[in-house]
Amino acid sequence: AQSVTQPDIHITVSEGASLELRCNYSYGATPYLFWYVQSPGQGLQLLLKYFSGDTLVQGIKGFEAEFKRSQSSFNLRKPSVHWSDAAEYFCAVRPVQGAQKLVFGQGTRLTINP
Amino acid sequence: DADVTQTPRNRITKTGKRIMLECSQTKGHDRMYWYRQDPGLGLRLIYYSFDVKDINKGEISDGYSVSRQAQAKFSLSLESAIPNQTALYFCATSDTGTGAYEQYFGPGTRLTVT
Repeated sequence: AQSVTQPDIHITVSEGASLELRCNYSYGATPYLFWYVQSPGQGLQLLLKYFSGDTLVQGIKGFEAEFKRSQSSFNLRKPSVHWSDAAEYFCAVRPVQGAQKLVFGQGTRLTINP
Repeated sequence: DADVTQTPRNRITKTGKRIMLECSQTKGHDRMYWYRQDPGLGLRLIYYSFDVKDINKGEISDGYSVSRQAQAKFSLSLESAIPNQTALYFCATSDTGTGAYEQYFGPGTRLTVT
């Protein structure tokens, strides 16, 4: 079945440490891939997206993500997190064919220790 | 001003009551969506509309109805609210002209059904 999985429900890192949030998808063809961030009390904001081309994509707020076709993964990274990065992060996919809808992962809640 | 607005932002209602959540956008997008967010489940699609005359059910449409009053307005109704409809509801928009890949979210409506 087609699905999007974020294996980590909750991650805690120290301020200044590096971060990697995992996302795996199960689709026949590589879908369009997105990462969104939801700060407390806010809606979702698009961090970055991948459609094709360079497999390392840069986003806002210093985030980047790498698409790995062989692993069906699109992991989000940041070299050095700031306290303001505490939020919930959602991976989402949109199949290239068929229904033109976003499918979201379950989300990963990020806590930053001072 | 926000591009996608939702009213009300918070609502407490009783079981059996009818309630309407409203969404307006100034982005000029043709496509609009309603999602609900529950802890650990990510966002799930309730209904979506690709233009004023087009309404489609999402994965969890039972107990909900929608109305697309204009290109800029998309309302979600709960005809007879029940406690398991307590959730955070998001409206989103996208633009066919850009390939309709990215969605832009409102700030959300927190609904509690007692």
